[in-house]
Amino acid sequence: QKEVEQNSGPLSVPEGAIASLNCTYSDRGSQSFFWYRQYSGKSPELIMFIYSNGDKEDGRFTAQLNKASQYVSLLIRDSQPSDSATYLCAVIGGFQKLVFGTGTRLLVSP
Amino acid sequence: EAQVTQNPRYLITVTGKKLTVTCSQNMNHEYMSWYRQDPGLGLRQIYYSMNVEVTDKGDVPEGYKVSRKEKRNFPLILESPSPNQTSLYFCASSSRDPTYNEQFFGPGTRLTVL
Repeated sequence: QKEVEQNSGPLSVPEGAIASLNCTYSDRGSQSFFWYRQYSGKSPELIMFIYSNGDKEDGRFTAQLNKASQYVSLLIRDSQPSDSATYLCAVIGGFQKLVFGTGTRLLVSP
Repeated sequence: EAQVTQNPRYLITVTGKKLTVTCSQNMNHEYMSWYRQDPGLGLRQIYYSMNVEVTDKGDVPEGYKVSRKEKRNFPLILESPSPNQTSLYFCASSSRDPTYNEQFFGPGTRLTVL
C-alpha cells in the first residue's frame, strides 16, 4: 500500500462546477496535510494546508481532513480553466518527512 | 524577491560523468530538501537537511550525495550518474519545522543521462 494515494485522473469538470479531489494516507501518526498545485513543467506551489480535523476554507478552496478515516480532500468551487493542473497531496509523517501522492490531474473545460 | 534557485535548469550528460546541481535560497530557511519527480511515481525525497552540517537520507538516496556547508546552499551531487537518474529534480526549502510550514520549490532541473 502506498503511503499517500490519489486517483491519477484526469478529473474533468465544466467551468463553474465544484471539483472534488481526494487523498488517502496510511500513516495514522501523520500530523499535517498539504495540497500543492503543479502546472505542467512548473514547480509545485502550496494551495492549502490543514492539520486539524474538519474543514479549512480559503477563497474558492476548502480542505477537509478526517483523521479517523485517514483521508483529506480538496474542494474547488467555481472551477476555472486556470485551475487545470495536477494537484498533489502531501503528508508529514514521522521524522518530519513530507510524502507526496502521485497527483490528480484536473481539467476544467470552458 | 524571495526565491529558491537551481542551476542548471537543463542538463544532458553521459553515464559516469560527475555532476553537481546547485540550489540556493535567500529566505534564511533552515530546512532544505531535494526531490526527484518521475511519471507515475510522483515526488520522492532524496535527501534533506535540517540545518548547516545536518543532512539525512530521504526515500531514494542511492547514487546521490549532498552537503550543507552554508545555510543558503544545498548542492546535489551525482558522482557517477546512470540513466535511471534521468528525472526532473526539485530543490525546496522551508523555515524550521516543515510540519507546519510551506515548502518553497525551485524551478526544477531536468536531467538526462545517456
